[in-house]
Amino acid sequence: QLQLQESGPGVLKPSETLSLACSVSGGSVADTTYYWGWIRQPPGKGLEWIAAVYYTGNTYYSPSLKNRVTISIDTSKNLFSLNLSSVTAADTAVYYCARLLSEWDRLGARGIDAFEIWGHGTVFIASS
Amino acid sequence: SSELTQDPAVSVALGQTVRITCQGDSLRRYYPTWYQQKPGQAPVLVIYGNNKRPSGIPDRFSGSSSGNTGSLTITGAQAEDEADYHCSSRDSSGYPHVLFGGGTKVTVL
Repeated sequence: QLQLQESGPGVLKPSETLSLACSVSGGSVADTTYYWGWIRQPPGKGLEWIAAVYYTGNTYYSPSLKNRVTISIDTSKNLFSLNLSSVTAADTAVYYCARLLSEWDRLGARGIDAFEIWGHGTVFIASS
Repeated sequence: SSELTQDPAVSVALGQTVRITCQGDSLRRYYPTWYQQKPGQAPVLVIYGNNKRPSGIPDRFSGSSSGNTGSLTITGAQAEDEADYHCSSRDSSGYPHVLFGGGTKVTVL
């Protein structure tokens, strides 16, 4: 059974760079069926998609965060990572990693994008 | 537009039916996806594609989509269905860029 586990520093000072890793077990990040993504949730707010990566290294970023975010994948270690630079209090959130199914229906008429499996999340606080 | 809009909150009597909606232009091209999230827990996928349910999701959860509106219906709501429900879809870029709605808090009375 596939499991994802986030890891990160917990707390950083404003202007520092947040580095998160998502370790995958019970499956491979090189599986050609899936993308791998990061989502965050500020306290008391909704979900926000941050970025996604394919095993080939192709990357996709939220337009609102793309200037500060880098996502990468390491198939040899079976994990993927996220860097978020110049953090501020607004980046305080629970950060989740997840496996993303992205495909078209049988007719090729409508797209399907679903985060099928999620990690438990890691709390990050930006505070001086 | 590149937004998905959900009602902030709805309530339903135990055993009754509730429908949660999600509106956005991207839903004309991409199926809505629905997640359930209980306090302190990660979201769980409940509906994706053309009304597909992952293994373990009760069949009282169903989804539909028409035009720019997607819907999640809980038929015979149970106390354990009280949660936040988030919709999502790809945005209009064509790339795997994901949009989320603001979430709907469902209260079971």
